[in-house]
Amino acid sequence: QVQLVESGGGVVQPGRSLRLSCAASGFTFSEFAIHWVRQAPGKGPEWVAVISFDGSKTYYADPVKGRFTISRDNSRSTLYLQMDSLRTEDTAVYYCVTSVDAWGKGTTVTVSS
Amino acid sequence: DIVLTQSPGTLSLSPGERATLSCRASQSVSRSYLAWYQQKPGQGPRLLIYAASNRATGIPDRFSGSGSGTDFTLTIDRLEPEDFAVFYCHQYGNSPWTFGQGTKVEIK
Repeated sequence: QVQLVESGGGVVQPGRSLRLSCAASGFTFSEFAIHWVRQAPGKGPEWVAVISFDGSKTYYADPVKGRFTISRDNSRSTLYLQMDSLRTEDTAVYYCVTSVDAWGKGTTVTVSS
Repeated sequence: DIVLTQSPGTLSLSPGERATLSCRASQSVSRSYLAWYQQKPGQGPRLLIYAASNRATGIPDRFSGSGSGTDFTLTIDRLEPEDFAVFYCHQYGNSPWTFGQGTKVEIK
């Protein structure tokens, strides 16, 4: 079945960078758009970004536009999220999601001095 | 962007009672692509309902979804102790995806 495993989270200071990865299996990765969704402590989920099946199109939520970059490597069935100029409000669990019924378990990003 | 407003914020009920949760969209949700999730502390969201009224695999039939357009409802018949959690609605028919702020169903 579909499996999505996020990694790369951690504690980082404001203004620094972090790169998240999402390793996918159990489906034909190259045929699906994939999203990053985050959830800050005590808050509801928030959509972050999406990339088309072939990587040619990307879209971002306004709070991360210009700071985050979503990308994918279809040969490795892996999704990435490059996060630059991190802010304290980026603190959240980050999930990769292919569809409403396919979420990873998430990786935690904490931005704190 | 479509704004999803959930009500009430908190629902205090006893096991065996019925829970009725509302999700109202600021504009019509395309193709009724509206999902409901349950989330317990320390866990990720668990899909309950997709496309407004379809139960996800393995979800008990005491959970049901209804609605279309801008008004959607999640009903939980005969609450079980394990049902108490936070519930979120999510629309995926329009870009960008958006989520409601959540309804907490707590034990009275």
